[in-house]
Amino acid sequence: EIVLTQSPATLSLSPGERATLSCRASQSVSSYLAWYQQKPGQAPRLLIYDASNRATGIPARFSGSGSGTDFTLTISSLEPEDFAVYYCQQRSNWSFTFGPGTKVDIK
Amino acid sequence: QVQLVQSGAEVKKPGASVKVSCKASGYTFTGYYMHWVRQAPGQGLEWMGWINPNSGGTNYAQKFQGRVTMTRDTSISTAYMELSRLRSDDTAVYYCARELAAAGTLDYWGQGTLVTVSS
Repeated sequence: EIVLTQSPATLSLSPGERATLSCRASQSVSSYLAWYQQKPGQAPRLLIYDASNRATGIPARFSGSGSGTDFTLTISSLEPEDFAVYYCQQRSNWSFTFGPGTKVDIK
Repeated sequence: QVQLVQSGAEVKKPGASVKVSCKASGYTFTGYYMHWVRQAPGQGLEWMGWINPNSGGTNYAQKFQGRVTMTRDTSISTAYMELSRLRSDDTAVYYCARELAAAGTLDYWGQGTLVTVSS
């Protein structure tokens, strides 16, 4: 099973700052990497798929990059509504796994 | 618009089974795999498996094999997840989620169903 590691566990930033979140896979997942945002009491929301493609309706301040084992989600300028938990997810051999999440909170 | 509407909260005793439903609308139900993901209180997301609504084929995470059964009723565009031999650590919110056109990505999610296992 492919294991995903996310860092940091918590990121404390102010509105307007740039957020850089990392996701590392235990083996190559090619570009089959997605990012989700989850707010308390809500279902996850898809942000990025295939490592770098924004999902429908996702603002341009969200961007994804990487391939193989190292991936990054960047939020160029944090808005108040962006403070949440972010999960990466991969698919391989018909199975999915999620990373443990990065919490972006207000500094 | 695409919607996934799940059944309501459940309270079960250890050793019992629970069956959660997920009614799809706004798209062709048989055209997209349906996945189940759970989240224990204060914890991260855990993938449980998927069902192909067209064929009924399934793939379960190894952790749940032997305890989980995913089925569907195409006549009412509804997917089901049944988990048996419940334990207290099965207490979680269970989500259904549609896979984006075989892209390995979950683009629409249900609202979640809280299953509480307690004696």
